[in-house]
Amino acid sequence: DGGITQSPKYLFRKEGQNVTLSCEQNLNHDAMYWYRQDPGQGLRLIYYSQIVNDFQKGDIAEGYSVSREKKESFPLTVTSAQKNPTAFYLCASNPTGPGLPTPDTEAFFGQGTRLTVV
Amino acid sequence: AQSVTQLDSQVPVFEEAPVELRCNYSSSVSVYLFWYVQYPNQGLQLLLKYLSGSTLVKGINGFEAEFNKSQTSFHLRKPSVHISDTAEYFCAVSDALGDFGNEKLTFGTGTRLTIIP
Repeated sequence: DGGITQSPKYLFRKEGQNVTLSCEQNLNHDAMYWYRQDPGQGLRLIYYSQIVNDFQKGDIAEGYSVSREKKESFPLTVTSAQKNPTAFYLCASNPTGPGLPTPDTEAFFGQGTRLTVV
Repeated sequence: AQSVTQLDSQVPVFEEAPVELRCNYSSSVSVYLFWYVQYPNQGLQLLLKYLSGSTLVKGINGFEAEFNKSQTSFHLRKPSVHISDTAEYFCAVSDALGDFGNEKLTFGTGTRLTIIP
């Protein structure tokens, strides 16, 4: 079955350490996204990529980095510069292309990674 | 740039009662609108979406939403809720310009729906 896989589901990090969250999709989608979710704040966009080897900063990119070396993979690194990294992180993907979207085009989300700094 | 407002952070409803979750958006261009549901510690699942055409959109699990351009609203409704509808619901918007998928989604802050037995 096609979908998005995020790993690990739970992650603990010591202060001052970098940590990388994995996101893999087998939907053949061009666009991939990373969101951060905090209670009462909804989802905020960290980074997004619409094509391999290219990505753009979202609304809260400071303290994060990404890479897009393969179409299927969009890992997110939470660096020590991120002041408040404890949150629920969601990865998403969707197809892109000219014209109106079809009824089948939508953003698909992974199951999320809960990162806790200890 | 767009924005989304979900006025109610929490909505308690008795089982089998109707529910409406409110969503208003702001945008200077045409938009696509979405409602997602999130169960605890899980990702988001699409409930329904408005892309074009009929303003009344039907989704999964008996939910529907109506796009009202003059009021810039996209409220979510269900005529009779079930315990299993307890979850967080997010409204989202993207610009309907250019190639689909090139405009990122902007989410509201979410509404937590609690069904009371």
